[in-house]
This record gives sequence, C-alpha cells and structure tokens, in this order.
Amino acid sequence: KAGVTQTPRYLIKTRGQQVTLSCSPISGHRSVSWYQQTPGQGLQFLFEYFSETQRNKGNFPGRFSGRQFSNSRSEMNVSTLELGDSALYLCASSSGTGIHTEAFFGQGTRLTVV
Amino acid sequence: QQQVKQSPQSLIVQKGGIPIINCAYENTAFDYFPWYQQFPGKGPALLIAIRPDVSEKKEGRFTISFNKSAKQFSLHIMDSQPGDSATYFCAASMNRKIIFGKGTRLHILP
Repeated sequence: KAGVTQTPRYLIKTRGQQVTLSCSPISGHRSVSWYQQTPGQGLQFLFEYFSETQRNKGNFPGRFSGRQFSNSRSEMNVSTLELGDSALYLCASSSGTGIHTEAFFGQGTRLTVV
Repeated sequence: QQQVKQSPQSLIVQKGGIPIINCAYENTAFDYFPWYQQFPGKGPALLIAIRPDVSEKKEGRFTISFNKSAKQFSLHIMDSQPGDSATYFCAASMNRKIIFGKGTRLHILP
C-alpha cells in the first residue's frame, strides 16, 4: 500500500506570494489533516477534511485554506505569504471513521519564505 | 486551553539505558493519547497509543504509563539502541484533532 504523498517536497517563495501544497492520502482513506511544524511552535493542527468537507479547524488565520477533492486528495493554500510561514507542512491521512483512527503522515513540504 | 506539555526537550542516554519522556495535559476531554517518532527528513510515525481507561501499555521495548488522576503520561524505552535516536512527540486527541507536545530530541550513545 502506497503511503501518504506530498508534493512538492521543497518550495521557496517570496513574501506576499501565495502557495499551494498537495497531499495524496493512502488509498481508501477519506480523512486528510494538515499540520504546520516549526522549531518554536512544534506541530500545530491546521484543519481536517473528510469527504470533501472541512470537519475540524485549528487556530490559524484565514490566509490558510484547504480543500479536498472527490478522490480524497487534498490541497492547502497559503495566501499573502509571510516570513513566519516558513515551516514544514505535514499532511496526515486516516480512514476518518470512528472517533480515533491511526493517522499516517507524509514526509512533508518544506516551505521557505524569503 | 488545549495544551500538552512535554519534557525534557532533549535527552542523552547510554545504549541499554531507559529514557523516560513525560507529558501532562489539561483538558480532561482528551480521550486518546498517541506517541509519535520522527526521524530527520521524515514525517512523524505512530509508535504506540493508549486510552485513559488503561494505566499501562507495552509494545515491544516501548511502554506508556498513564496516570489519569494526575493527567500525566510517560513513555519508557527499554534497552534503548542508537537506532532509537529520534524526536518523540506525545499527543492528546479529541474528536480526531491531535494536539502535540513540543517534542523530545533523544540521542542514544553507542
């Protein structure tokens, strides 16, 4: 079974630009969650999508948005990039059914804002 | 506030020793407590998890101890090996939302 695939692996953007990150979950998984990982703040939950609907949301500004397609693939968009958005963005997939299911993480997209 | 506090930030242990990582939480609504292991350049991987109605869980060399009344839980790694060197995250989950601790960088000396 293929794991969670995130593309691209690395990205360099300029302040003010926008960026789109992609995540392909494990086949059959319907839930995709996004996390931001930084040395200072650690792993912070951004949002979760299940069956094309946002089911959970963390405490990030509206510049951070996401969507999920009918094949469960998900994209995350960050608009008007700031230097502080530089981070490793991780996507996790799970079956999404039941209250607790194991989350499988991708290798992440390393975003650098200059 | 949904928060998970983890200590220590870093830990160095001799091979064969038993590193212990501690975590504490505040929100009693959390009902699932996973631990993740992350190697450089990789995403976190689930190591072991426990529910609050269980006081201890063992999987191989990894053991979680859970104290519901104190709202604390810890990870013990028996017979630690250099290959266990990684960053470990405790976490607490509620309604499929995972709140992570800040992580512990563990280094096992050969």
